[in-house]
Formats: sequence, C-alpha cells, structure tokens
Amino acid sequence: EAGVAQSPRYKIIEKRQSVAFWCNPISGHATLYWYQQILGQGPKLLIQFQNNGVVDDSQLPKDRFSAERLKGVDSTLKIQPAKLEDSAVYLCASSLAPRTGYGRSYNSPLHFGNGTRLTVT
Amino acid sequence: TQLLEQSPQFLSIQEGENLTVYCNSSSVFSSLQWYRQEPGEGPVLLVTVVTGGEVKKLKRLTFQFGDARKDSSLHITAAQPGDTGLYLCAGGGADGLTFGKGTHLIIQP
Repeated sequence: EAGVAQSPRYKIIEKRQSVAFWCNPISGHATLYWYQQILGQGPKLLIQFQNNGVVDDSQLPKDRFSAERLKGVDSTLKIQPAKLEDSAVYLCASSLAPRTGYGRSYNSPLHFGNGTRLTVT
Repeated sequence: TQLLEQSPQFLSIQEGENLTVYCNSSSVFSSLQWYRQEPGEGPVLLVTVVTGGEVKKLKRLTFQFGDARKDSSLHITAAQPGDTGLYLCAGGGADGLTFGKGTHLIIQP
C-alpha cells in the first residue's frame, strides 16, 4: 500500500512569511494528524481530524496556524505569519479508527509521512 | 495532560552489547506503542502492547508493558549498527496518543 505522502520535503522562509504543507494519507484511513517535531524531541500533536472534522486542536497556536481537511482525505497545514520558533519538522500521520478490545478502546498504529523540514530565518 | 518520560535521553554503545531503554509515566494508558525514527524519515511503528504485564518479542527486541500499564521497557540483545535511531514511546488514552521525547541510540561498529 502507498504510504503517507507529504510535500514539500524542505522549506526555507523568512520570519513573518507564510507557508503551507500538504498531506495525502493512506487510503481508507479516517484519522489524520499533524505533529510538530522540534530537533531532538518527540512529536507534539498539533491537530487531529476524524474524517473532515476536528477532534483535537488544543495545542494548535490558532493565532498563526490553521489546518483543513476537505472531503475527509487530503489535508493542508498553514502558518501565517511564521516565527523563528516554528522551525521544526512537520509530520503528517494517518490511522484507522480506534480499536476496541480487552474491555477498552485503544489507538490504532500511526503511519507517518517523512515530514516537511521548515527553517524560518 | 499525560506525560511520558523516556530514559536515557542518549545512549551510545558498541555493537554486540545489550541495552534497555525505559518509558515511564504516572498515568495509566490503554495501550503503549514503540516507534523507531531514522534521520529524515517519519517514525515507524515497532510494536503495540495493550495488556498489563504483556511481553512481545520482535527478533532481538523485547518489549514489556508494566503490570499497572504506566510504564514500558525496550530491551535490545546484541545491538547492531542498524538499530541506530530515535526510539519513541507513545501512550494511548482518552487524550489520544502522547509521545515521549525519545531515546537517541547509537550503535558503534
């Protein structure tokens, strides 16, 4: 099966400029995530979609970040205006719906794209 | 917010040695996933553990989920240079998946 596709792979912009990232998840995966990974750290969830609805955007800096998932498939993440501290790798991931077993619901594995490395100068 | 602490943060050992890395929390998780990430790539799932006390083996890698479902460990036997990477644990719960900061592992030939 084709994996999660992201573009571009690299982007260099100046502070206060805008930038957009694109993600195409694995076919049939209802859940899509955008993560921010600062160098040397683990991924931090920015936003989670279930189909085309937002499930969790509590850690998304909404004054400058926005994301949409039209038609419940592809997604775009936008930053406007960018700050120096936004320099990071932006990872998109997709998964099937949560599974149920052992008397509780648990998360399906995430399939990640290779990310977009953003440098803000 | 559920927090996951991973230790050690960095580990550099010689090929052939054994090692264990840890993932700890004060919170209970419904499941715990381990991922490995190589430079320039996204994390790739290694294993999911769901039951308290569960042990899963993947070739030279052994994963254990704590009895109380608050912690996990990853043991690598006879480490090889190909094991080099960032090892991330992620706990599943009502807030979704929470990632730790990872253990940077380097296996020197």
